[in-house]
Amino acid sequence: ETGVTQSPTHLIKTRGQQVTLRCSSQSGHNTVSWYQQALGQGPQFIFQYYREEENGRGNFPPRFSGLQFPNYSSELNVNALELDDSALYLCASGSDLSSYNEQFFGPGTRLTVL
Amino acid sequence: DQQVKQNSPSLSVQEGRISILNCDYTNSMFDYFLWYKKYPAEGPTFLISISSIKDKNEDGRFTVFLNKSAKHLSLHIVPSQPGDSAVYFCAASAIVGGKLIFGQGTELSVKP
Repeated sequence: ETGVTQSPTHLIKTRGQQVTLRCSSQSGHNTVSWYQQALGQGPQFIFQYYREEENGRGNFPPRFSGLQFPNYSSELNVNALELDDSALYLCASGSDLSSYNEQFFGPGTRLTVL
Repeated sequence: DQQVKQNSPSLSVQEGRISILNCDYTNSMFDYFLWYKKYPAEGPTFLISISSIKDKNEDGRFTVFLNKSAKHLSLHIVPSQPGDSAVYFCAASAIVGGKLIFGQGTELSVKP
């Protein structure tokens, strides 16, 4: 059983640029969720994907978008970066939607927008 | 609108004593509650969970208590160990398999 991995670990971008963050979910897990964690705050839900379809979205603008692939990998794309987008971005995988279950988190990508 | 609140940003306890971390929530639709532990430079790690149909769940040194009428849950760690020093997040879910709503976290420091 492999864990959840994310790349890159750190990233520096300038305002207005676009960024793609990547996540490799735990094998066999059909859901992947992305969270944004600002300094001193808890993680905030961005969106969830289930079997390559978006399945719920938090209070984030459309410039935050995602993809999930059949090989348990996924991407978070952010366009037109703003200074407030600086945060730790976490992905989490879960087994399915049929029951409450814990989500397994990756180590995160630290994004800095200058 | 903070639906899950952890009002203590930090807690310091002596090794061997009990650590009690508290969490309050406002949404009565929450059905499932979880605690995560986070070390620096790592993602949150699942600790223990509880369904709304229970009022207590125990796993080794960790026990979670749920008081639905007060919309309050707590995590007890007995005995506390220095390796327990981390940030603890409580989280809640109202959607089966769906999104988690997190509190702001409490930083626990266990001193030898």
